[in-house]
Amino acid sequence: QLQLQESGPGLVTPSETLSLTCAVSGDSIRISHSYYFWSWIRQPPGKGLEWIGTIDYSGTTYSRPSLRSRVAISVDTSKNQLSLKLRSVTASDSAVYYCAREHRDGFNSYIDYWGQGTLVTVSS
Amino acid sequence: SYDLTQPPSVSVSPGQTATINCSGDKLGDRYASWYQQKPGQAPVLVIYRDVRRPSDIPERFSGSTSGDTATLTISGTQAMDEADYFCQAWASTTVFGGGTRLTVL
Repeated sequence: QLQLQESGPGLVTPSETLSLTCAVSGDSIRISHSYYFWSWIRQPPGKGLEWIGTIDYSGTTYSRPSLRSRVAISVDTSKNQLSLKLRSVTASDSAVYYCAREHRDGFNSYIDYWGQGTLVTVSS
Repeated sequence: SYDLTQPPSVSVSPGQTATINCSGDKLGDRYASWYQQKPGQAPVLVIYRDVRRPSDIPERFSGSTSGDTATLTISGTQAMDEADYFCQAWASTTVFGGGTRLTVL
């Protein structure tokens, strides 16, 4: 059974960089299938889900256009971890951040595994 | 950008059928997925590829599509089904609907 666990600071100062990691257990993050994507999704308090970005089997990253200039997603296969860095944060970046495994082939896309989420608050 | 539209709220009586719609441009040419999220918990996949149900999801959950609208149907709704429901599709990026709060009265 695949399990994902996010970790990182719960409080980040405005204009600083938000850094999160996601520990993956139960399977290797070294992608064995081209249709598995490792993603970050966030949810501001009381609001809906917002896809941040993803990294595919080849290491290519894709991100939400509005966040593209600030987002970096990477994988550390030696630690079986996924990472997210979001630069120059503001209060609007406060949210619960989820890591997830997305299955995507053609127009067929769904997220079959989610981490439990970690709350990040941006405040001085 | 691509948008998926859901009603903000739906109410249903216990034992009745709840339907939640999700509409988007040319959604019929894509596949819709649905997630259930209870307070303080991560979302759970309940429907994928429009109509398929994960093995651990009760049979009372079903999905369908018609034109550019995907629909999540919960038959014989139970109190435990009270939650937020989100639709999702892929349109060059992964897109979520705004979510629907299902209230079981």
